[in-house]
Amino acid sequence: GAVVSQHPSRVICKSGTSVKIECRSLDFQATTMFWYRQFPKQSLMLMATSNEGSKATYEQGVEKDKFLINHASLTLSTLTVTSAHPEDSSFYICSAIRRGHEQYFGPGTRLTVT
Amino acid sequence: LAKTTQPISMDSYEGQEVNITCSHNNIATNDYITWYQQFPSQGPRFIIQGYKTKVTNEVASLFIPADRKSSTLSLPRVSLSDTAVYYCLVVGGSQGNLIFGKGTKLSVKP
Repeated sequence: GAVVSQHPSRVICKSGTSVKIECRSLDFQATTMFWYRQFPKQSLMLMATSNEGSKATYEQGVEKDKFLINHASLTLSTLTVTSAHPEDSSFYICSAIRRGHEQYFGPGTRLTVT
Repeated sequence: LAKTTQPISMDSYEGQEVNITCSHNNIATNDYITWYQQFPSQGPRFIIQGYKTKVTNEVASLFIPADRKSSTLSLPRVSLSDTAVYYCLVVGGSQGNLIFGKGTKLSVKP
């Protein structure tokens, strides 16, 4: 089946630094990708919709200047958490839509900000 | 997007059939019902999707009554490895962004 990968799977960074997370669709082209965040024991919360070649659409309450999204190609979207703080520590998950199929999710990236 | 309601948790034993019901009273005509499974620290995994009546695959069955205001995910003969959170979602025809509810935490005991 279709595979979506994320890199890194885990990252620990110091407060104030920036972290980039990559999301790749490995065997299909995805014009649209989504970024979710999941805190412990909670459900996934949609952060933004990433469209190839255009600006991302952010959900209400998500700071676009803090969570930079770049969908540079049909197989790659990146999420950069800028000036990370401990409250940004979370599980970040991306997904991609394959035309005519269901939405495929990546394995997630565990971000810990110290 | 149609809101879904499902039980917060369910307990079962190995070998039993588990049925998780989801209500979606304001489902639209072009909406599909989709179920995902999520293990801790992993991304959700697609289980099954349907529009009406019954859909079956190698993992589960999905029962949808004629009014489509609810649906039931049926897992036959669960094992310990089926312990996970199960999410019911209603997805528009264009399969846009998914809005996750709280899901049902299924615990399978030996």
